[in-house]
Amino acid sequence: NAGVTQTPKFRVLKTGQSMTLLCAQDMNHEYMYWYRQDPGMGLRLIHYSVGEGTTAKGEVPDGYNVSRSTTEDFPLRLLSAAPSQTSVYFCASSSTGPRTETQYFGPGTRLLVL
Amino acid sequence: AQSVTQPDIHITVSEGASLELRCNYSYGATPYLFWYVQSPGQGLQLLLKYFSGDTLVQGIKGFEAEFKRSQSSFNLRKPSVHWSDAAEYFCAAGGGGGADGLTFGKGTHLIIQP
Repeated sequence: NAGVTQTPKFRVLKTGQSMTLLCAQDMNHEYMYWYRQDPGMGLRLIHYSVGEGTTAKGEVPDGYNVSRSTTEDFPLRLLSAAPSQTSVYFCASSSTGPRTETQYFGPGTRLLVL
Repeated sequence: AQSVTQPDIHITVSEGASLELRCNYSYGATPYLFWYVQSPGQGLQLLLKYFSGDTLVQGIKGFEAEFKRSQSSFNLRKPSVHWSDAAEYFCAAGGGGGADGLTFGKGTHLIIQP
């Protein structure tokens, strides 16, 4: 049981390049989330999904796309990277139900956009 | 709007001394409350959570937190800190359905003096 995995761990991009951050979980969780962490800002929600085939916008969705074609995977796409997207990105998952809402986090992807 | 406030950006505590990290929330109803810890370069680890019931919650690593509805607070405490407790601590709140992720405070950086 690996929990939540993220790849890559670190990436450097040039402005305008595209890339996909991968996230996978093996806990059969319905809910999955993408957050970004910036110094002094805590974590902010980018997009989330409440199940296969669903996605929804969070607090800071601009410049990012997501999809949920399987329960396990929730990739985050940057179509045209900007320096403002330099951040640490965390994927998380949780099961359904009001008493089981604990979110489990992946180790993060550090992204630098030049 | 929902918000979580951690008033202290940095806290310095001597090893062996007691610790209290403050967290205040602003929500329409009683939210689910969490404390996470993040060591340098690592992901987030759940310390404890409050959903309902007993307002004093025990967590891992000797931490506890007390929910006070009248003060909209969920402060984290530890009776005696260890050098390994040096990390970033995040308080977070969720609405209950899990659908829209967690709202995080900006974090408190804990420094342990020898």
